[in-house]
Amino acid sequence: NAGVTQTPKFRILKIGQSMTLQCAQDMNHNYMYWYRQDPGMGLKLIYYSVGAGITDKGEVPNGYNVSRSTTEDFPLRLELAAPSQTSVYFCASKTRGFTDTQYFGPGTRLTVL
Amino acid sequence: AQSVTQLGSHVSVSEGALVLLRCNYSSSVPPYLFWYVQYPNQGLQLLLKYTSAATLVKGINGFEAEFKKSETSFHLTKPSAHMSDAAEYFCAVSDQGAQKLVFGQGTRLTINP
Repeated sequence: NAGVTQTPKFRILKIGQSMTLQCAQDMNHNYMYWYRQDPGMGLKLIYYSVGAGITDKGEVPNGYNVSRSTTEDFPLRLELAAPSQTSVYFCASKTRGFTDTQYFGPGTRLTVL
Repeated sequence: AQSVTQLGSHVSVSEGALVLLRCNYSSSVPPYLFWYVQYPNQGLQLLLKYTSAATLVKGINGFEAEFKKSETSFHLTKPSAHMSDAAEYFCAVSDQGAQKLVFGQGTRLTINP
């Protein structure tokens, strides 16, 4: 199993541009999550999904959109990129069990200039 | 709402010394608690988790943590630090229903030779 994969690894955007961060998992996990990590702030939840076709907002959803058309994929869309969206983005997935572990991807480092 | 506080954003110990990373949580329901480790330029990896079974939890790489309800703490320890333990460590709490993690701000562990 490849686990959780994310593309691209790095990206530089100009203010106002848009892009999609890709996340895929091959573990047949129902739950998927997007986090952003800023220095000294820990990880903040952007959006999550409990299954195909179902998504919900996390703590910091403004400026982002998600979709979940398949179990495997959970892309994160940035519209009109802003410098405040400069961050490292992590995708994670888990099974239904309450105590089950979230498995994280390697991250995408995004810079908005 | 649940929250996690990690005391000390940066901890430095000598190789072979005791490692103690502090985590206090706030939760209105019995919590599930997690410690994750992040090595440079990588995603997060689970070290250990408390799921209401044994209060002393053993994890990978010689780490362990003790759940103390009276102190609302879940401190991470390792008897003897190794250079390879240098990383950032995150404590997280999850309630039994939402299946979302709330992370602390992280503690960067430095090991001195």
